[in-house]
Amino acid sequence: SAVISQKPSRDICQRGTSLTIQCQVDSQVTMMFWYRQQPGQSLTLIATANQGSEATYESGFVIDKFPISRPNLTFSTLTVSNMSPEDSSIYLCSVGVGWNTEAFFGQGTRLTVV
Amino acid sequence: DAKTTQPPSMDCAEGRAANLPCNHSTISGNEYVYWYRQIHSQGPQYIIHGLKNNETNEMASLIITEDRKSSTLILPHATLRDTAVYYCIVRVAMTGGSYIPTFGRGTSLIVHP
Repeated sequence: SAVISQKPSRDICQRGTSLTIQCQVDSQVTMMFWYRQQPGQSLTLIATANQGSEATYESGFVIDKFPISRPNLTFSTLTVSNMSPEDSSIYLCSVGVGWNTEAFFGQGTRLTVV
Repeated sequence: DAKTTQPPSMDCAEGRAANLPCNHSTISGNEYVYWYRQIHSQGPQYIIHGLKNNETNEMASLIITEDRKSSTLILPHATLRDTAVYYCIVRVAMTGGSYIPTFGRGTSLIVHP
């Protein structure tokens, strides 16, 4: 199993600013992912955070808007840049620990942009 | 990816069994069916998964049809705390062995007294 700690749990930010969300795992994991959940919607995968290389982004998400770091096998950050009210969402970190195992999720970061 | 279809909402009386259906008619032979749930304001939580045999754990039972085109998650004695959105996911295999859950709209289950 894996225990995931996400910080901050929530924040209210001014438009045009940036917020960096941290994801810390209690063990080394192979895969780390970032999801977005807009109000009333399901989860949408933003990107896969790759250790030692650039993140792999899904269609509709770009590095300039959502830069991701993964310096080691237990930690990753997601930055939401130049925020607008449309970025108000819950952002979730998820990890996969191996083949044919479940994914684990953090509690999410609830972001409100005003 | 094999797509899944779930009813948008269901309700169930407390103490009764909740049976949540999922259609996955394009599932491949080596793809597993996973179920997660998301209680309001929390991250998704793994419930159970299976390939072709029925599975049971302390949370739920998973019944997969013989042709694997559909499955049913059963919460045998639903409680108010089981009120959540339930997601049925067919695993997407990745190079290296891990998988990325791809979430549909899920079923919003409301358990009422």
